[in-house]
Amino acid sequence: GQNIDQPTEMTATEGAIVQINCTYQTSGFNGLFWYQQHAGEAPTFLSYNVLDGLEEKGRFSSFLSRSKGYSYLLLKELQMKDSASYLCAVRDSNYQLIWGAGTKLIIKP
Amino acid sequence: IAGITQAPTSQILAAGRRMTLRCTQDMRHNAMYWYRQDLGLGLRLIHYSNTAGTTGKGEVPDGYSVSRANTDDFPLTLASAVPSQTSVYFCASSVSTSGGTDTQYFGPGTRLTVL
Repeated sequence: GQNIDQPTEMTATEGAIVQINCTYQTSGFNGLFWYQQHAGEAPTFLSYNVLDGLEEKGRFSSFLSRSKGYSYLLLKELQMKDSASYLCAVRDSNYQLIWGAGTKLIIKP
Repeated sequence: IAGITQAPTSQILAAGRRMTLRCTQDMRHNAMYWYRQDLGLGLRLIHYSNTAGTTGKGEVPDGYSVSRANTDDFPLTLASAVPSQTSVYFCASSVSTSGGTDTQYFGPGTRLTVL
């Protein structure tokens, strides 16, 4: 079967750095996505990785290792507004997205 | 309209009733999707449409049907609602399904409760 694993919840301090990990086992791989979802709202796109390595976009970076079936999302200089759930999704061989359950990130002052 | 709209925002429905969730996008995207999101589970694909006039089944299609008469609209119908269909339903769209960054954009969701 297909599986995406992420930690259920993480806590971090305002101004700090946090790394959210995602491991996957899917039938084929055609890219990995990270989305942010605030409580009661729709998911919004953060990043996309299809080749190994680090993609940086402002305070957010995403890393991919296809051989290890592993990705992480790195959030720097955390702000209170970063409190949200972060969803990892892999596009499989059928070009459908397989979603993890999401990691709820709690930011404390 | 800008982006994707869904209606209604929320609904309480008696079991056995028929319900249609509406989804409209104005981005001229070819592909559209319906997901359900339940606590502790990832988004699960119900049905999708790669282009107007075609539809396909996702991971959890039973009890749901869709149609895609034109590019903009992608309604989801529950023929006879059951309590296990209580969930938050998200409609999404993307330019295509052919790969690349092809990001999916989501509507605001419909919170459905079936009693």
